[in-house]
Amino acid sequence: DTGVSQDPRHKITKRGQNVTFRCDPISEHNRLYWYRQTLGQGPEFLTYFQNEAQLEKSRLLSDRFSAERPKGSFSTLEIQRTEQGDSAMYLCASSPQGSQPQHFGDGTRLSIL
Amino acid sequence: QQPVQSPQAVILREGEDAVINCSSSKALYSVHWYRQKHGEAPVFLMILLKGGEQKGHDKISASFNEKKQQSSLYLTASQLSYSGTYFCGTEISNTGKLIFGQGTTLQVKP
Repeated sequence: DTGVSQDPRHKITKRGQNVTFRCDPISEHNRLYWYRQTLGQGPEFLTYFQNEAQLEKSRLLSDRFSAERPKGSFSTLEIQRTEQGDSAMYLCASSPQGSQPQHFGDGTRLSIL
Repeated sequence: QQPVQSPQAVILREGEDAVINCSSSKALYSVHWYRQKHGEAPVFLMILLKGGEQKGHDKISASFNEKKQQSSLYLTASQLSYSGTYFCGTEISNTGKLIFGQGTTLQVKP
């Protein structure tokens, strides 16, 4: 049973650069979620998809953040013009449907120099 | 609105019991509980849907008081492997979108 896979595991970049992360959910999971987690805090909701449709995006999320899930399989999260405050662990999770257990990937740790 | 967890941290000896609470100011559809060990992904423990049910497996159980919008996680006869940070994730409507609490750090000592 393949779990949720995220790539890369670590990303170090300079402020102002664009970065893109990939998430491969558990196959046949229709729901895909993106969260951001900083040290000592719980995961913070960013956005989620039902198949290829993006159903909600956090109002706290700036326009520099965009996510896609073409064909309802893998998803990408892009951050444009990165800032120091974007440094965090970006977690992806998937579930069969809403209100069901969410299975998390190991995350992508982003460090902004 | 982020749910509030209490206590923030707990230190136990093996075999002791612990209770972790999660309170929300909003009406909830469900409460999810996760455990996260340092440097690892959160791991699902259980879901409680509105209806005031109680769930459990092994020595970990949870309850959900719909009227008070509170959930409690019960860990009995704690083991070293229970160490980690416990998060409750609250769901306001049947969307799957979770708002997580700030976490409760549990340390179990021999």
